[in-house]
Amino acid sequence: DGGITQSPKYLFRKEGQNVTLSCEQNLNHDAMYWYRQDPGQGLRLIYYSQIVNDFQKGDIAEGYSVSREKKESFPLTVTSAQKNPTAFYLCASSRKTGTDSYEQYFGPGTRLTVT
Amino acid sequence: SQQGEEDPQALSIQEGENATMNCSYKTSINNLQWYRQNSGRGLVHLILIRSNEREKHSGRLRVTLDTSKKSSSLLITASRAADTASYFCATVPLSGGSYIPTFGRGTSLIVHP
Repeated sequence: DGGITQSPKYLFRKEGQNVTLSCEQNLNHDAMYWYRQDPGQGLRLIYYSQIVNDFQKGDIAEGYSVSREKKESFPLTVTSAQKNPTAFYLCASSRKTGTDSYEQYFGPGTRLTVT
Repeated sequence: SQQGEEDPQALSIQEGENATMNCSYKTSINNLQWYRQNSGRGLVHLILIRSNEREKHSGRLRVTLDTSKKSSSLLITASRAADTASYFCATVPLSGGSYIPTFGRGTSLIVHP
């Protein structure tokens, strides 16, 4: 099955700990994205990557870091510097952007709770 | 960054009725996309409409785009209980070069059986 997976579905961490969320896709998409969704809100872009070994900050990158060492994988680290990390995190992928825009395919999401 | 705003925020209808959701935006767009999200799940792409298109259909879905009014609407005909979800519009700006969509806050649709 082609698709995009995120793990784990639920994640609990203590304040002050870094945590890494996994995102993998086998759609052969060049572009990948991380969004944050808070209750009753839309999606806010954290980071995106249009090609391996390159990524760009989105609207709310502070306190987050990413890497893109492989086309299939785009892990997100929520660091202790993120002031309010409890949220629903969504990963997405799409065909290469930069010359046009295409629909995004989303993973099932990871719900992170930090106490 | 530009953001589409959906209206209404919430919509409650009976099964069989039509549901109409609107999206307004501020600056010129390359395209506008509609997505659906079931509670606690990821988003699913429904329709992408480009700035030179006025209407697109997919099954029971009809999307219109009026670039002069900077607005779009999503019509779901003959709604079913399974259509209960949140619906988001996402706008892709014409300029800027990144072609990254910006999502609105969504319309929460409840279809009563």
